[in-house]
Amino acid sequence: ETGVTQSPTHLIKTRGQQVTLRCSSQSGHNTVSWYQQALGQGPQFIFQYYREEENGRGNFPPRFSGLQFPNYSSELNVNALELDDSALYLCASSLAQGDTQYFGPGTRLTVL
Amino acid sequence: RKEVEQDPGPFNVPEGATVAFNCTYSNSASQSFFWYRQDCRKEPKLLMSVYSSGNEDGRFTAQLNRASQYISLLIRDSKLSDSATYLCVVGVLGSARQLTFGSGTQLTVLP
Repeated sequence: ETGVTQSPTHLIKTRGQQVTLRCSSQSGHNTVSWYQQALGQGPQFIFQYYREEENGRGNFPPRFSGLQFPNYSSELNVNALELDDSALYLCASSLAQGDTQYFGPGTRLTVL
Repeated sequence: RKEVEQDPGPFNVPEGATVAFNCTYSNSASQSFFWYRQDCRKEPKLLMSVYSSGNEDGRFTAQLNRASQYISLLIRDSKLSDSATYLCVVGVLGSARQLTFGSGTQLTVLP
Protein backbone atom coordinates (compact mmCIF):
# COMPACT_ATOMS: atom_id res chain seq x y z
CA GLU A 1 0.00 0.00 0.00
CA THR A 2 1.14 3.54 -0.77
CA GLY A 3 -0.07 5.14 2.44
CA VAL A 4 -2.21 7.59 0.48
CA THR A 5 -5.84 7.53 1.53
CA GLN A 6 -8.93 9.07 -0.03
CA SER A 7 -12.50 9.54 1.08
CA PRO A 8 -15.20 8.80 0.31
CA THR A 9 -14.75 5.66 -1.78
CA HIS A 10 -17.90 6.22 -3.80
CA LEU A 11 -20.23 9.16 -4.18
CA ILE A 12 -23.43 9.81 -6.10
CA LYS A 13 -24.53 13.38 -6.78
CA THR A 14 -26.99 15.09 -9.06
CA ARG A 15 -26.23 17.67 -11.70
CA GLY A 16 -25.70 21.15 -10.28
CA GLN A 17 -24.62 19.97 -6.83
CA GLN A 18 -21.24 20.54 -5.22
CA VAL A 19 -18.83 17.89 -3.98
CA THR A 20 -15.72 17.77 -1.77
CA LEU A 21 -13.24 14.93 -2.01
CA ARG A 22 -10.44 14.37 0.50
CA CYS A 23 -6.93 13.01 0.36
CA SER A 24 -4.28 12.27 2.99
CA SER A 25 -0.78 12.11 1.61
CA GLN A 26 1.92 9.61 2.42
CA SER A 27 3.95 10.50 5.49
CA GLY A 28 6.72 12.97 4.63
CA HIS A 29 5.21 13.96 1.27
CA ASN A 30 4.41 17.67 0.94
CA THR A 31 3.02 17.64 -2.61
CA VAL A 32 -0.41 16.44 -3.66
CA SER A 33 -1.66 16.15 -7.23
CA TRP A 34 -5.23 15.48 -8.31
CA TYR A 35 -6.26 13.60 -11.44
CA GLN A 36 -9.56 12.80 -13.15
CA GLN A 37 -9.85 9.44 -14.88
CA ALA A 38 -12.84 8.91 -17.15
CA LEU A 39 -13.79 5.38 -18.13
CA GLY A 40 -11.36 3.92 -20.65
CA GLN A 41 -8.95 6.86 -20.42
CA GLY A 42 -5.73 7.60 -18.61
CA PRO A 43 -5.76 9.98 -15.66
CA GLN A 44 -5.85 13.69 -16.58
CA PHE A 45 -3.98 16.20 -14.41
CA ILE A 46 -6.26 18.66 -12.60
CA PHE A 47 -3.84 20.54 -10.32
CA GLN A 48 -1.04 20.18 -7.83
CA TYR A 49 -0.54 21.65 -4.36
CA TYR A 50 2.79 22.23 -2.71
CA ARG A 51 3.02 23.65 0.80
CA GLU A 52 -0.59 24.87 0.70
CA GLU A 53 -0.23 26.72 -2.62
CA GLU A 54 -1.50 25.70 -6.05
CA ASN A 55 1.62 24.78 -7.98
CA GLY A 56 0.25 24.11 -11.45
CA ARG A 57 -3.06 23.43 -13.13
CA GLY A 58 -4.27 21.35 -16.03
CA ASN A 59 -7.02 22.17 -18.49
CA PHE A 60 -9.93 22.19 -16.03
CA PRO A 61 -12.44 25.03 -15.46
CA PRO A 62 -12.42 27.19 -12.31
CA ARG A 63 -15.30 25.22 -10.81
CA PHE A 64 -12.61 22.67 -9.95
CA SER A 65 -10.78 24.07 -6.94
CA GLY A 66 -8.64 22.73 -4.16
CA LEU A 67 -6.98 23.26 -0.84
CA GLN A 68 -3.98 21.88 0.96
CA PHE A 69 -3.73 21.98 4.72
CA PRO A 70 -0.68 22.40 6.98
CA ASN A 71 -0.53 18.62 7.49
CA TYR A 72 -0.38 18.32 3.66
CA SER A 73 -3.76 16.66 3.33
CA SER A 74 -5.84 18.06 0.51
CA GLU A 75 -9.36 18.63 -0.75
CA LEU A 76 -10.76 18.78 -4.25
CA ASN A 77 -13.98 20.76 -4.64
CA VAL A 78 -16.16 20.67 -7.71
CA ASN A 79 -19.06 23.11 -8.06
CA ALA A 80 -22.03 22.97 -10.41
CA LEU A 81 -21.52 19.30 -11.20
CA GLU A 82 -22.06 18.16 -14.77
CA LEU A 83 -22.76 14.67 -16.07
CA ASP A 84 -19.28 14.55 -17.63
CA ASP A 85 -17.73 14.98 -14.19
CA SER A 86 -18.55 11.33 -13.52
CA ALA A 87 -15.14 9.71 -13.16
CA LEU A 88 -12.58 8.23 -10.82
CA TYR A 89 -10.78 11.02 -8.96
CA LEU A 90 -7.27 10.14 -7.91
CA CYS A 91 -4.87 11.95 -5.68
CA ALA A 92 -1.17 11.26 -5.65
CA SER A 93 1.46 12.40 -3.19
CA SER A 94 5.14 12.97 -3.82
CA LEU A 95 8.21 14.63 -2.44
CA ALA A 96 8.54 18.04 -4.02
CA GLN A 97 12.05 17.26 -5.13
CA GLY A 98 11.19 13.94 -6.77
CA ASP A 99 8.86 12.83 -9.52
CA THR A 100 7.59 9.53 -8.25
CA GLN A 101 3.92 9.93 -7.43
CA TYR A 102 2.05 7.42 -5.32
CA PHE A 103 -1.65 7.15 -5.87
CA GLY A 104 -4.49 6.71 -3.45
CA PRO A 105 -7.34 4.28 -4.19
CA GLY A 106 -9.51 7.01 -5.69
CA THR A 107 -13.04 8.29 -5.24
CA ARG A 108 -15.57 7.14 -7.80
CA LEU A 109 -18.01 9.99 -8.47
CA THR A 110 -21.25 9.44 -10.33
CA VAL A 111 -23.28 12.46 -11.40
CA LEU A 112 -26.90 11.75 -12.30
CA ARG B 1 -2.60 14.78 -31.37
CA LYS B 2 -2.40 13.36 -27.85
CA GLU B 3 0.70 14.21 -25.80
CA VAL B 4 1.27 10.55 -24.98
CA GLU B 5 0.12 7.89 -27.40
CA GLN B 6 0.13 4.17 -26.78
CA ASP B 7 -0.51 1.06 -28.83
CA PRO B 8 -4.22 0.44 -29.14
CA GLY B 9 -5.25 -2.70 -27.26
CA PRO B 10 -6.36 -5.04 -26.11
CA PHE B 11 -3.52 -7.55 -26.15
CA ASN B 12 -4.54 -11.14 -25.45
CA VAL B 13 -1.55 -13.44 -25.07
CA PRO B 14 -1.00 -16.98 -23.76
CA GLU B 15 0.86 -17.59 -20.54
CA GLY B 16 4.61 -17.63 -21.13
CA ALA B 17 4.48 -15.30 -24.12
CA THR B 18 6.60 -12.20 -24.59
CA VAL B 19 4.65 -9.01 -25.18
CA ALA B 20 5.85 -5.52 -26.04
CA PHE B 21 4.12 -2.19 -25.54
CA ASN B 22 5.14 0.99 -27.32
CA CYS B 23 4.51 4.60 -26.53
CA THR B 24 5.40 7.94 -28.12
CA TYR B 25 5.35 11.39 -26.54
CA SER B 26 5.18 14.79 -28.17
CA ASN B 27 6.70 17.15 -25.58
CA SER B 28 10.45 17.28 -26.16
CA ALA B 29 10.83 18.98 -22.75
CA SER B 30 9.74 15.78 -21.01
CA GLN B 31 12.29 14.71 -18.45
CA SER B 32 10.93 11.71 -16.61
CA PHE B 33 9.32 8.57 -17.89
CA PHE B 34 7.42 5.77 -16.23
CA TRP B 35 5.28 2.74 -16.76
CA TYR B 36 2.36 2.38 -14.37
CA ARG B 37 0.12 -0.64 -14.04
CA GLN B 38 -3.58 -0.31 -13.29
CA ASP B 39 -5.80 -3.20 -12.32
CA CYS B 40 -9.52 -3.01 -13.02
CA ARG B 41 -11.19 -0.34 -10.87
CA LYS B 42 -8.00 0.25 -8.88
CA GLU B 43 -5.47 3.06 -8.71
CA PRO B 44 -2.38 3.20 -10.94
CA LYS B 45 0.73 1.70 -9.37
CA LEU B 46 4.27 2.46 -10.40
CA LEU B 47 5.74 -0.46 -12.32
CA MET B 48 9.07 1.09 -13.19
CA SER B 49 10.84 4.26 -14.12
CA VAL B 50 12.44 4.41 -17.56
CA TYR B 51 15.97 5.62 -18.18
CA SER B 52 17.87 6.38 -21.36
CA SER B 53 20.26 3.53 -20.67
CA GLY B 54 17.35 1.11 -20.43
CA ASN B 55 16.47 -0.75 -17.31
CA GLU B 56 15.32 -4.19 -16.32
CA ASP B 57 13.36 -5.46 -13.35
CA GLY B 58 12.96 -9.22 -13.45
CA ARG B 59 10.77 -10.09 -16.42
CA PHE B 60 10.20 -6.42 -17.30
CA THR B 61 12.48 -4.33 -19.50
CA ALA B 62 11.91 -0.67 -20.31
CA GLN B 63 13.67 1.37 -22.98
CA LEU B 64 13.70 5.07 -23.78
CA ASN B 65 14.75 6.69 -27.04
CA ARG B 66 14.84 10.44 -26.51
CA ALA B 67 15.71 11.21 -30.13
CA SER B 68 12.61 9.39 -31.37
CA GLN B 69 10.54 10.31 -28.28
CA TYR B 70 9.67 6.67 -27.89
CA ILE B 71 9.27 4.44 -24.83
CA SER B 72 8.81 0.70 -24.72
CA LEU B 73 8.00 -2.00 -22.19
CA LEU B 74 8.80 -5.66 -22.75
CA ILE B 75 7.27 -8.37 -20.57
CA ARG B 76 8.85 -11.80 -20.83
CA ASP B 77 7.32 -15.10 -19.70
CA SER B 78 3.88 -13.55 -19.12
CA LYS B 79 1.97 -14.63 -16.04
CA LEU B 80 -1.78 -14.60 -15.46
CA SER B 81 -1.14 -11.94 -12.79
CA ASP B 82 0.31 -9.60 -15.43
CA SER B 83 -3.23 -9.02 -16.76
CA ALA B 84 -3.87 -5.31 -16.28
CA THR B 85 -3.83 -1.99 -18.11
CA TYR B 86 -0.35 -0.58 -18.67
CA LEU B 87 -0.06 3.20 -18.68
CA CYS B 88 2.81 5.06 -20.30
CA VAL B 89 3.53 8.19 -18.28
CA VAL B 90 5.68 11.22 -19.02
CA GLY B 91 6.71 13.89 -16.54
CA VAL B 92 7.61 17.50 -17.24
CA LEU B 93 9.55 19.34 -14.56
CA GLY B 94 8.63 22.91 -14.01
CA SER B 95 6.42 24.83 -11.69
CA ALA B 96 4.39 21.68 -11.32
CA ARG B 97 5.78 18.23 -11.75
CA GLN B 98 2.73 17.04 -13.59
CA LEU B 99 2.42 13.63 -15.10
CA THR B 100 0.83 13.09 -18.49
CA PHE B 101 -0.69 9.66 -18.98
CA GLY B 102 -1.39 7.72 -22.10
CA SER B 103 -4.79 6.09 -22.43
CA GLY B 104 -3.34 2.72 -21.51
CA THR B 105 -3.05 -0.65 -23.17
CA GLN B 106 -5.05 -3.53 -21.78
CA LEU B 107 -3.25 -6.85 -21.44
CA THR B 108 -4.97 -10.15 -20.79
CA VAL B 109 -2.79 -13.21 -20.24
CA LEU B 110 -4.70 -16.37 -21.02
CA PRO B 111 -4.14 -19.78 -19.39
